Amino acid sequence: KAGVTQTPRYLIKTRGQQVTLSCSPISGHRSVSWYQQTPGQGLQFLFEYFSETQRNKGNFPGRFSGRQFSNSRSEMNVSTLELGDSALYLCASSLIRDSYNEQFFGPGTRLTVL
Amino acid sequence: AQSVTQLGSHVSVSEGALVLLRCNYSSSVPPYLFWYVQYPNQGLQLLLKYTTGATLVKGINGFEAEFKKSETSFHLTKPSAHMSDAAEYFCAVSANTGNQFYFGTGTSLTVIP
Repeated sequence: KAGVTQTPRYLIKTRGQQVTLSCSPISGHRSVSWYQQTPGQGLQFLFEYFSETQRNKGNFPGRFSGRQFSNSRSEMNVSTLELGDSALYLCASSLIRDSYNEQFFGPGTRLTVL
Repeated sequence: AQSVTQLGSHVSVSEGALVLLRCNYSSSVPPYLFWYVQYPNQGLQLLLKYTTGATLVKGINGFEAEFKKSETSFHLTKPSAHMSDAAEYFCAVSANTGNQFYFGTGTSLTVIP
């Protein structure tokens, strides 16, 4: 079974631009969560989608948004990029929305904002 | 609310020595606890998890962790470190409702030959 895939793997953008990242969960997984990983901050939860609806949201500004499609694929968008948005963005999928379920992570998208 | 504290952002051990990575959690409800490992340029991989039942949990690659409710701890151990264990380790907690995970800031493990 294929794992979680994220595209692109690397991105370089300049301040003020916007970016869209894509995540394809493991086949059959319906929950997709997004995290921002930076040195010293660890993983910070962005949001979770299940059945095309945002179920949970972390403490990030409105510039960060996402959506989920009917095939469970998810995208996240960051508008008006800032230097501090440079990070590894990780997507994780799980079968259902129970907290005892393991989250399976993709390799991440490395975003650099210049 | 849930939170995780990992003591020691960097840990170095000699090959063959005991590995001990510390994790303390805060949770207002009985927690589910996880340890993940991240190798360079890769996503996170589950090492082990505690949900209910036996408090000593065995995971992959010889790692194990013990849930100690009285100490609110879930420390990760391995009796004998191997060079391939060098990686970043993350402890995570989730509540027993919803699907939101809270991660610690990670511990970077270096194994010295």
